[in-house]
Amino acid sequence: SQQGEEDPQALSIQEGENATMNCSYKTSINNLQWYRQNSGRGLVHLILIRSNEREKHSGRLRVTLDTSKKSSSLLITASRAADTASYFCATGQRGGGATNKLIFGTGTLLAVQP
Amino acid sequence: GAVVSQHPSWVICKSGTSVKIECRSLDFQATTMFWYRQFPKQSLMLMATSNEGSKATYEQGVEKDKFLINHASLTLSTLTVTSAHPEDSSFYICSAGALGGEKLFFGSGTQLSVL
Repeated sequence: SQQGEEDPQALSIQEGENATMNCSYKTSINNLQWYRQNSGRGLVHLILIRSNEREKHSGRLRVTLDTSKKSSSLLITASRAADTASYFCATGQRGGGATNKLIFGTGTLLAVQP
Repeated sequence: GAVVSQHPSWVICKSGTSVKIECRSLDFQATTMFWYRQFPKQSLMLMATSNEGSKATYEQGVEKDKFLINHASLTLSTLTVTSAHPEDSSFYICSAGALGGEKLFFGSGTQLSVL
């Protein structure tokens, strides 16, 4: 399976704390993206990091990418109860014709306690 | 950002019937569309890739005769679950990308329940 793996599978923290999620993948990638999914099912794109980038920031989000280790991490700082959701990494890979296809990781369920 | 519309949001059908799900890109030309399936508390699994005007490419283990995909135009792709059975009950999500695009834009998903 090309699917990436994330850890932890579930994470429970208090509001204000930082949350770190890790993603490992198996194949060559063009980019790696992080998505959030609430229980209401819609996917929200959080951040994209290209294979030649090592770190990227967006608001309270910080993403790192280590292509030599085929791994990425997502850090959410100063978490809020509203951050409670499932978080997925997705690797952009060749094979989607003119557009990269996305292969999703197993996901991390984050619960932020108020 | 770009908008992808997916319909219906939910559908309940009897075992043995066929169900069609539509995915439309509203403000861009989607050269490629992807169909995913998600079981409860699991991740999104890629089912197939469809490029406008050509046959879909199915991932290993996905039955092409059961999950018919048509991408007849640059703004519309359809997934038809034929002869649906209870084990096909799942959340189906489409996504669309423009030519050379890095990002995919996702529909809101369709919850299929087969009785």
